[in-house]
Amino acid sequence: QVQLQQSGPGLVKPSQTLSLTCAISGDSVSSNSVAWNWIRQSPSRGLEWLGRTYYRSKWYNDYAVSMKSRITINPDTSKNQFSLQLNSVTPGDTALYYCARDRYDIDAFDIWGQGTMVTVSS
Amino acid sequence: QSALTQPPSVSGSPGQSVTISCTGTSSDVGSYNRVSWYQQPPGTAPKLMIYEVSNRPSGVPDRFSGSKSGNTASLTISGLQAEDEADYYCSSYTTSGTFVFGGGTKLTVL
Repeated sequence: QVQLQQSGPGLVKPSQTLSLTCAISGDSVSSNSVAWNWIRQSPSRGLEWLGRTYYRSKWYNDYAVSMKSRITINPDTSKNQFSLQLNSVTPGDTALYYCARDRYDIDAFDIWGQGTMVTVSS
Repeated sequence: QSALTQPPSVSGSPGQSVTISCTGTSSDVGSYNRVSWYQQPPGTAPKLMIYEVSNRPSGVPDRFSGSKSGNTASLTISGLQAEDEADYYCSSYTTSGTFVFGGGTKLTVL
């Protein structure tokens, strides 16, 4: 059974970097049939896809256009996990952040983490 | 990439059917059969209910069905039950190699 366990701080100061980690059990971050995503949810924006990392003989990333200048998603093969870094945060980045798996053959998010509420405030 | 358009709310009585629409563009819903639907009860993570427009993952009741015509996808729930009350979101893969979600629809079972 695949499970995703998120960790990271719930409070980040404006202009700083938001960092979250998603630990994978029951699957591999290096699997060539899935991708590993970050998605956030807020009352103002609803669900918003942020980006993903995946392995297809080498590592790739796809990012939402609106995030491209501030986001980095990295795999960590030694710990079987992946991370999100979002730079220069503002109160507008306050949201519930989810990690999720999408299967390459269906392009749908079939496994989700438990969610981490991140508040950007001084 | 603009969000897909869903009605903010729908409602129905137990046993009835409801349909939730999801309208996109030729760059997302209209381009691929990579439309999926998610159910989110309050305080929980979204759950995949439909993938590739009309396929159900194992364990999802056959009361849930999906379809697509042009740039609009639809989720139909037949034989409504109280436990179906939740927020529902559509999602589509896009020609840019990204994903886009709908704004969400709150289903109320009367």
